[in-house]
Amino acid sequence: AQSVAQPEDQVNVAEGNPLTVKCTYSVSGNPYLFWYVQYPNRGLQFLLKYITGDNLVKGSYGFEAEFNKSQTSFHLKKPSALVSDSALYFCAVRDGRGYQKVTFGTGTKLQVIP
Amino acid sequence: DTGVSQDPRHKITKRGQNVTFRCDPISEHNRLYWYRQTLGQGPEFLTYFQNEAQLEKSRLLSDRFSAERPKGSFSTLEIQRTEQGDSAMYLCASSLVSSGDADTQYFGPGTRLTVL
Repeated sequence: AQSVAQPEDQVNVAEGNPLTVKCTYSVSGNPYLFWYVQYPNRGLQFLLKYITGDNLVKGSYGFEAEFNKSQTSFHLKKPSALVSDSALYFCAVRDGRGYQKVTFGTGTKLQVIP
Repeated sequence: DTGVSQDPRHKITKRGQNVTFRCDPISEHNRLYWYRQTLGQGPEFLTYFQNEAQLEKSRLLSDRFSAERPKGSFSTLEIQRTEQGDSAMYLCASSLVSSGDADTQYFGPGTRLTVL
């Protein structure tokens, strides 16, 4: 069975400071990893994904994530946080062997303080 | 490209009633997915279609739930004999399998179901 852990329910960061949202995963095959963001009363928006290749993945709105196979992690990062980044962030994993089921974590609320 | 749309956005029903939700994927997207999201949780996979074929179903999809995609375009999710535990946000997503972006699912705004 595949799973995702987001150990922090909430992350607070001051505007302009770097941010990190943590994610670890478990999957049998090669991991396909995703980050989505959810704003209030809106659907999930895709940020970035890792399928293969470079361990550092760049995505939308200045976000990036680093795939670490040995630590089974895929942490989301941004060098300088904006107040508008405040939202709910979900990490997700899929088994790369062809199954389409995507498993999401429970989400991390990011609060950027002005 | 108008994005994934879902209808209705909100549904309030009484326990025991049947409800049906509709999802219109992004035009020409051949994969369509249904998820359920409860408060404080991430989306949980329910089922997915490639064209009109339903290829994976979660154990969460009890016999009261049925999904269809008869012409490979829009999809419906029906819940029969609703229970209070069915109260959740039902999300639909789509993707285009033949593109270089095949693994990215694009989500709709969801249908919020409240069962009284």
